[in-house]
Amino acid sequence: DQQVKQNSPSLSVQEGRISILNCDYTNSMFDYFLWYKKYPAEGPTFLISISSIKDKNEDGRFTVFLNKSAKHLSLHIVPSQPGDSAVYFCAASWDSNYQLIWGAGTKLIIKP
Amino acid sequence: NAGVTQTPKFRILKIGQSMTLQCTQDMNHNYMYWYRQDPGMGLKLIYYSVGAGITDKGEVPNGYNVSRSTTEDFPLRLELAAPSQTSVYFCASRGQNSYNEQFFGPGTRLTVL
Repeated sequence: DQQVKQNSPSLSVQEGRISILNCDYTNSMFDYFLWYKKYPAEGPTFLISISSIKDKNEDGRFTVFLNKSAKHLSLHIVPSQPGDSAVYFCAASWDSNYQLIWGAGTKLIIKP
Repeated sequence: NAGVTQTPKFRILKIGQSMTLQCTQDMNHNYMYWYRQDPGMGLKLIYYSVGAGITDKGEVPNGYNVSRSTTEDFPLRLELAAPSQTSVYFCASRGQNSYNEQFFGPGTRLTVL
């Protein structure tokens, strides 16, 4: 049973436009959510996170929104740049648990 | 700082062979993790460690073993390799005060034939 779901395997966006990546979760115990970015042949790198006590967190061009009632979060990238082409993973954790539960990832392609 | 390093980058094994994937971090992190990533899937936790001498199973530990004799090193041992262990393996670490922000190595691509 997938507790963290990224239903879009891929997304193609024009350079300069907004990219929106979505993530749904089923476990209401999750209280911290993270987005990671992964380039080919590299390990994932941390991008941005949000605590369940917030509904929005912003860092430069990246904003994460959390809708707890819908158990849904999204990552907005504005404006999208060619270097943003990568696979984006959503991950979740709960309490002080050491583990992260990962989504399957969404491959973002930024078209010039 | 090299961060998290993993060796080897690639390896092909025959069924039944054994090998050790090496992982070293130079950030003095207490927590270390081993994941595997299969095509089109998210990362699955194999084993983790909260400090030297302490290890615990993750979601998919069968067929693997780990040890943590120092803070820096967290090797993953595959005994009797099987085709189902063909995957990309990532090692990660995190500090005491970073809430689950994990730092990853570049990965080891393993093929078992």
